[in-house]
Amino acid sequence: GAVVSQHPSWVICKSGTSVKIECRSLDFQATTMFWYRQFPKQSLMLMATSNEGSKATYEQGVEKDKFLINHASLTLSTLTVTSAHPEDSSFYICSARDFDRAPLHFGNGTRLTVT
Amino acid sequence: GQQVMQIPQYQHVQEGEDFTTYCNSSTTLSNIQWYKQRPGGHPVFLIQLVKSGEVKKQKRLTFQFGEAKKNSSLHITATQTTDVGTYFCAGRLYYKLVFGAGTILRVKS
Repeated sequence: GAVVSQHPSWVICKSGTSVKIECRSLDFQATTMFWYRQFPKQSLMLMATSNEGSKATYEQGVEKDKFLINHASLTLSTLTVTSAHPEDSSFYICSARDFDRAPLHFGNGTRLTVT
Repeated sequence: GQQVMQIPQYQHVQEGEDFTTYCNSSTTLSNIQWYKQRPGGHPVFLIQLVKSGEVKKQKRLTFQFGEAKKNSSLHITATQTTDVGTYFCAGRLYYKLVFGAGTILRVKS
């Protein structure tokens, strides 16, 4: 089945630094990738939709200058949390699909802790 | 804001009892998908419903899509301890998938 690899699985960083999270589709080409944020015991909140070769579409309330998304190829999307603060600590999950209306395949997620 | 409502938020059942979670949308959905997330894990796709009134079964799980394509349910018959986790519905609204809040299922053995 389709596999999405997300790296790193966890990261601890100091306030003010930037963190990059990678999301790769291993055995299919992902025309669209999605980035979600999940708080403990809560649902997945869509942050942005990433399309290969074009600018990401951000959801209302998500700062695009803070959460930089790059979808450089059909198999790789990256999320960079810039100038991280403790309130950015969360579980970030990417997902990908290979064609429109296909089910999503999720990465394992990245636990970000900002100290 | 949240456009797909899911209830209940939490359910604790005795092993062998049935379980149902419901999703409602104020907007007609193109399709609805169901995912299961085990504690500490990531969401895993279970099924997709597309047609009005569609019913699909996977062993002890029964999924329904309402006639108006605005609501859906997941029913588990005779729950087992392996069923524990959070069940999310996700409705297709235009180009994106909007997740419900999820229902946390705990099963007492």
